[in-house]
Amino acid sequence: QKEVEQDPGPLSVPEGAIVSLNCTYSNSAFQYFMWYRQYSRKGPELLMYTYSSGNKEDGRFTAQVDKSSKYISLFIRDSQPSDSATYLCAMSRSYNTDKLIFGTGTRLQVFP
Amino acid sequence: GAGVSQTPSNKVTEKGKYVELRCDPISGHTALYWYRQSLGQGPEFLIYFQGTGAADDSGLPNDRFFAVRPEGSVSTLKIQRTERGDSAVYLCASSRGDGETQYFGPGTRLLVL
Repeated sequence: QKEVEQDPGPLSVPEGAIVSLNCTYSNSAFQYFMWYRQYSRKGPELLMYTYSSGNKEDGRFTAQVDKSSKYISLFIRDSQPSDSATYLCAMSRSYNTDKLIFGTGTRLQVFP
Repeated sequence: GAGVSQTPSNKVTEKGKYVELRCDPISGHTALYWYRQSLGQGPEFLIYFQGTGAADDSGLPNDRFFAVRPEGSVSTLKIQRTERGDSAVYLCASSRGDGETQYFGPGTRLLVL
């Protein structure tokens, strides 16, 4: 069993829809949780990070962490065609000095 | 400002050959990471440098893989006797080492024929 599980999709939604992306994990030592966006043939770009449980909002993006359920989510409101990319969840035991463990990524397509 | 750069962007080699992949981190970043991303998968950790020393090399798959960072800046990932299964995108990331996140380069796409 992988430490981090993520549905690979693809997920196809119309422009303006609310998108929900999710990951589950098995290692209770994870404290820091991140979402990266990766466009085709580019490196991952950090979107959101959260520490421990709770919610964090940044513009159209909201990240949620539920450590009791070992479940994290990323919500995208008013999705745009430019949001079409692969979304990777990642987590680590410490914020900076520890390796990141990634999910497989969910491919999102937002059509006009 | 300049981000993490990686060269070459693409590398095609034959099975059994030796390859070197280079990473130039963001200036002043003390931490440097190498990851490998296979098609349809998330990046997998290979090795982490803090300064010149490898702080964690637990992700290197076998002794054909080696990485150096002699002056605490540029890093080179070296793969000996390449195998077809080594084909992947090799990503480099750097961070300041003071609680900031990792910034990724565009990757080197390695294809072993």
